[in-house]
Amino acid sequence: DAMVIQNPRYQVTQFGKPVTLSCSQTLNHNVMYWYQQKSSQAPKLLFHYYDKDFNNEADTPDNFQSRRPNTSFCFLDIRSPGLGDAAMYLCATSSEGLAVNNEQFFGPGTRLTVL
Amino acid sequence: GQNIDQPTEMTATEGAIVQINCTYQTSGFNGLFWYQQHAGEAPTFLSYNVLDGLEEKGRFSSFLSRSKGYSYLLLKELQMKDSASYLCAVEGSARQLTFGSGTQLTVLP
Repeated sequence: DAMVIQNPRYQVTQFGKPVTLSCSQTLNHNVMYWYQQKSSQAPKLLFHYYDKDFNNEADTPDNFQSRRPNTSFCFLDIRSPGLGDAAMYLCATSSEGLAVNNEQFFGPGTRLTVL
Repeated sequence: GQNIDQPTEMTATEGAIVQINCTYQTSGFNGLFWYQQHAGEAPTFLSYNVLDGLEEKGRFSSFLSRSKGYSYLLLKELQMKDSASYLCAVEGSARQLTFGSGTQLTVLP
C-alpha cells in the first residue's frame, strides 16, 4: 500500500544532542511537510518542501533544519534539542496540482523525548 | 493572522448524533479540512469543503459557510471507535494548513 513512513516511531535523545528524524513516502507526492504537535495542541507547521523548494515558517526556530535529498525522503534535523522540543513530529505529503483537494496524508509520527 | 476556534471537549452517547463546530478567521481561504486523530496516532482525513454547503460521506457530513467563517462536522450513529480528537484545518494559501486545537470527543455506551 502506498503510504507515509516515519522512523523511528519513538526517539529518545539527550539535551543538546543532535537528532535526525526520517520520513519516506511511496505516494510520489511533490510536497512534504513537517509538523510539531505537543500534547493536546494543534499540529504546528515547521516547514515544507514543494519539490526541491524549501519553505520555512517564520516562527520555526533555527534549531530545526530539514533536508529532502529526493522525492521519497525528507529529514528533520534538530541541532541542539531542548526540553521544550519534546513532542510528536508528524510528516505529511500532498500532491498539489494532481488532486481535487490538497489533502495531506500523514505518517504515524515520531514521538521525541528529550532527557 | 490565522485563528481557528473549536470546542475543547464534547461528550455524546453511542448511536446519537453530534455536531462539532469550527469558526475561523484567516488571511486567505483555499478550503477547509476535517481530520480525525486518535490518541498517539497521526491525523486521518475525513472531509474537505471549499464551496458553501454540505458534503456527505457515509456517517460523516461537513458543512461550510464561507461568508460566516463557519464549518461543522456532523457524526451520525456514533460508535465507540469515534472517540477521538477532531481537528478543523484551514488552507489559507497554497500548502499552508492551519489547524485548530481539536475537539476531544468521548462516546459513552
